[in-house]
This record gives sequence, C-alpha cells and structure tokens, in this order.
Amino acid sequence: LAKTTQPISMDSYEGQEVNITCSHNNIATNDYITWYQQFPSQGPRFIIQGYKTKVTNEVASLFIPADRKSSTLSLPRVSLSDTAVYYCLVGDNQKVTFGTGTKLQVIP
Amino acid sequence: EPEVTQTPSHQVTQMGQEVILRCVPISNHLYFYWYRQILGQKVEFLVSFYNNEISEKSEIFDDQFSVERPDGSNFTLKIRSTKLEDSAMYFCASSPRTGSYEQYFGPGTRLTVT
Repeated sequence: LAKTTQPISMDSYEGQEVNITCSHNNIATNDYITWYQQFPSQGPRFIIQGYKTKVTNEVASLFIPADRKSSTLSLPRVSLSDTAVYYCLVGDNQKVTFGTGTKLQVIP
Repeated sequence: EPEVTQTPSHQVTQMGQEVILRCVPISNHLYFYWYRQILGQKVEFLVSFYNNEISEKSEIFDDQFSVERPDGSNFTLKIRSTKLEDSAMYFCASSPRTGSYEQYFGPGTRLTVT
C-alpha cells in the first residue's frame, strides 16, 4: 500500500485558489489517486479520482505529473464552506486506509 | 442524487449489550464497507463485503463484529458485546466497482457505549 504524505494544515482566504499537494513516492502501477473531503461529524465525501495527467469535475481539479509520485488537488475560489479535512488516498484495493489528511481552514 | 443512508443517527447502549447498525447502500452498488472513526482520530477500515461474503477485514474486526446483507437493500453491522472503546462514529460506504477507492459514505451512526 503506497504511503502518502500531505501537509497537516493549510489556511486560505476566501476566493483564493487552494492547491494541496500529496506525495506518494512508491505508488504502484495499478494504483489510482483519490481525494476525499470530510466535515466534522460527517462521513468522508468522494471528490475526485485520477490515474495520470489532469482530471477536472465540478468541484475540483487533480493534477498528476508523468512520474505519478505526487498529485495536487486544486480547489478554485474557496469559500468558508470548504473548510474541512482533505484526504489523499492511493491504491486499488478494497481496504481503504485514511491518513490524517490536510485540515484546510478558509478565512473570511 | 442517490445516497447511502444509515440508521440510527445516534445509538446509546450499555457495555455488554448487542447493537445493530443499519445501512442502505446506493441501489446499484455491489461493494459495501464499514468504517469507524473514534472522536478526533482517523477513519479506520473495518470490513468490505461483496456477493454476500466478507472480502477483507481489518484487525479491528474481531469475533465481536459481524456483517450481514439480510435482504436486497440493507447492510448491517452487529457488535455482539459492546465495550467502552467501541464508542465511535460508524460509517457505511458503497462502491459501484471493485478495487476502487471511489466510495460513497453515509452520514454515520454515533455509537456511545456507557
């Protein structure tokens, strides 16, 4: 199971773009990169998943360089409601392991 | 938009009692999971379930725990004899495909063991 490293916390002002980078140096060939968001006392919410290059949906973009040893979740123009913990997960099996994630605090 | 539902939202029980936590996964999903999160700690994988069988389980999922899909819609987690340390949020999740970290979580059941 590929280990991931991401910042423990980040602060951002409302309206700014936020980029959260995750490193996963020993990612395996079959592994996908998945990001979740979790608000206090709620279940994790799937945000985006990718294998390589760039993936974009209505919530976020995910940038994955060619070597796939890192990935960046990009949240455009964050609002106060984006304050949450963001988890980067790498793998392809059913046993999902959540780390401590990145606690994003959006400041007015 | 379809979503995973869980009942009850909060369950209080005495140590040693049995509890059953219920989940209704998204209807066309085939893979089901239970996780728990002790207050202030990480989300921990308990068990995955497919085709009426456990696919994987963690070290936490010992003989006190069991899962069942009693009918076509419900998915349950039973804790036979609760301990104080079982107090946590329990999340059910479902996925449309295997080997995918694309899972959809329910709102959770807060279990308090006294």
